[in-house]
Amino acid sequence: EVQLVESGGGLVKPGGSLRLSCAASGFTFSSLSMNWVRQAPGKGLEWVSSISSTSSYIYYGDSVKGRFTISRDNAKNSVYLQMNSLRAEDTAVYYCARPAAGFYFYYMDVWGKGTTVTVSS
Amino acid sequence: EIVLTQSPGTLSLSPGERATLSCRASQYITNRYLAWYQQKPGQAPRLLIYGASNRATGIPDRFSGSGSGTDFTLTISRLEPEDFAVYYCQQYGSSITFGQGTRLEIK
Repeated sequence: EVQLVESGGGLVKPGGSLRLSCAASGFTFSSLSMNWVRQAPGKGLEWVSSISSTSSYIYYGDSVKGRFTISRDNAKNSVYLQMNSLRAEDTAVYYCARPAAGFYFYYMDVWGKGTTVTVSS
Repeated sequence: EIVLTQSPGTLSLSPGERATLSCRASQYITNRYLAWYQQKPGQAPRLLIYGASNRATGIPDRFSGSGSGTDFTLTISRLEPEDFAVYYCQQYGSSITFGQGTRLEIK
């Protein structure tokens, strides 16, 4: 079964850091790009970051550029999101999502259930 | 950045009726790189349509997509009770952006 499972969310103070993980199974992880997408409470979807299969190409949304870092470990079938200098507006459910093909900018056919990040003092 | 504007914000219909949801882009979307997702409360988004008009695996044929350039439409031919949800469009022709969503509610 193709599956993505996020972890690492929690409550953090403004200015703090958090590292999210996404464990993939059921497909050849090393051949596909991966994305992070977030959704603030009661709001729509926002693309956060994408990483190519070999980590050669990495992209970020403007709202997180310079604060968040995406990475992956193909040996562990995992993708990560290091979040620094967190702000209240980063509060959201963070989804790991798989593009349907090798391109980093593509539609996403598999999504995890999400992990919740709350930034509050 | 390509901005996607979905309309209406909320659509109130009854089961059995036809739903038409719109997604308008601020710039031309190359290769019809437009997808539609359905999201129910507490769940992750589910892919419905890709390439503007191709149904994803397992999606019923009452869901159809159309359009090109800057104007795209998702049509649900006869609403079933399980179709009431929030729908998002997403473009992937130039980076990735999502529309703000259309809430489809039971009238």
